[in-house]
Amino acid sequence: QVQLQESGPGLVKPSETLSLTCTVSGGSVSYYYWSWIRQPPGKGLEWLGSIYYSGNTNYNPSLKSRATLSVDTSKKQFSLKLNSVTAADTAVYYCARLDSSSLDWHFDLWGRGTLVTVSS
Amino acid sequence: SSVLTQPPSVSVAPGQTATITCGRRKIGDKSVHWYQQMPGQAPVLVVYDDTDRPSGIPERFSGSTSGNMATLTIRRVEAGDEADYYCQVWERSSDHPVFGGGTKLTVL
Repeated sequence: QVQLQESGPGLVKPSETLSLTCTVSGGSVSYYYWSWIRQPPGKGLEWLGSIYYSGNTNYNPSLKSRATLSVDTSKKQFSLKLNSVTAADTAVYYCARLDSSSLDWHFDLWGRGTLVTVSS
Repeated sequence: SSVLTQPPSVSVAPGQTATITCGRRKIGDKSVHWYQQMPGQAPVLVVYDDTDRPSGIPERFSGSTSGNMATLTIRRVEAGDEADYYCQVWERSSDHPVFGGGTKLTVL
């Protein structure tokens, strides 16, 4: 059974860079798109970006180029870096798998999420 | 518009049918997906491609679309169905997903 697990610091200072990694267990990263989605406390879901196992990326324009996604197929991991963070970036960050095998793209597998707080 | 409009809350008594809507102009032209998010947990896909259910999702959960509205229907609602529900479509023009604002289902 494929599982996703986020890891990274739970506290980041304002103006610094948030770095998270998602580890895929029980399956391969190949031939899938992998995504990061966040949820501020008490609010809805916001897609941040997606990366194909080959390295092709797609980002949410609202992040204004602050986000960078990368993938390491040998480690079965993909990562998110978000620079110049502010309190508005405080959220639970989820990694998720994109499924394109059916009619249209959707997220068929999610990690448990990790809370990142931006505070000095 | 890329916005998906959901009612903030829906309440239903146990055993009854809950209907959660997701509105957008011509949403029937797209495939709509639905996620259930229990308190403190990650979202779980409950309906994809308008009407299909992933393995393990009860038949009580069903989806439909027509015109400008997509609907998630939960029959014979149980206390354990209390959660936030989100709809999602994929915007091919910009190649990214759009989520609805979410609906909190309360079981009375």
